[in-house]
Amino acid sequence: DTAVSQTPKYLVTQMGNDKSIKCEQNLGHDTMYWYKQDSKKFLKIMFSYNNKELIINETVPNRFSPKSPDKAHLNLHINSLELGDSAVYFCASSQGDDPETQYFGPGTRLLVL
Amino acid sequence: GQNIDQPTEMTATEGAIVQINCTYQTSGFNGLFWYQQHAGEAPTFLSYNVLDGLEEKGRFSSFLSRSKGYSYLLLKELQMKDSASYLCAVRDITDSWGKLQFGAGTQVVVTP
Repeated sequence: DTAVSQTPKYLVTQMGNDKSIKCEQNLGHDTMYWYKQDSKKFLKIMFSYNNKELIINETVPNRFSPKSPDKAHLNLHINSLELGDSAVYFCASSQGDDPETQYFGPGTRLLVL
Repeated sequence: GQNIDQPTEMTATEGAIVQINCTYQTSGFNGLFWYQQHAGEAPTFLSYNVLDGLEEKGRFSSFLSRSKGYSYLLLKELQMKDSASYLCAVRDITDSWGKLQFGAGTQVVVTP
């Protein structure tokens, strides 16, 4: 009965590689998000999709490209990984009603070597 | 944009009460959320305030004063499992709907 799931949970890779993280929610929500939590535990929004349309696109390097094949899935592809990309990436989802509480996935711990 | 400030760490004894303050500055305040995050886990929703006053949910309560740009989360009858980071997040009407700005979190350590 997992609500928001992410794969993989851990990702260790070399600098310069390209990797993808997948997210799925079975809550029937319309909106999905990607957040980055750095080593100082600061949680920062990166992207948001509503019904497969991009609605939030924060200032992130264009090496990061989100893709939403349908409203239950939001994937994050990262090209040419850099050391500074090491962080925990959280997916979240919310319904389009007030207060639009966001529900988070378990996180993907990315380590770039 | 928003500036969100909360203390870095607080320590309290099991059974005690702890109050975590959060101050914010927004262009158009449209709601404040509190999340709990245990080490290595996802943030989980605790409370939401959009009007002034106190919202109570069991051992946890959250207060909001919009005129002061201030909120607090009150944790009563502390238990060891309450040791976690508590994140204050603010929504601004001038931002895209759903966008939250998070504070850096307050690490609460509960001691026996």
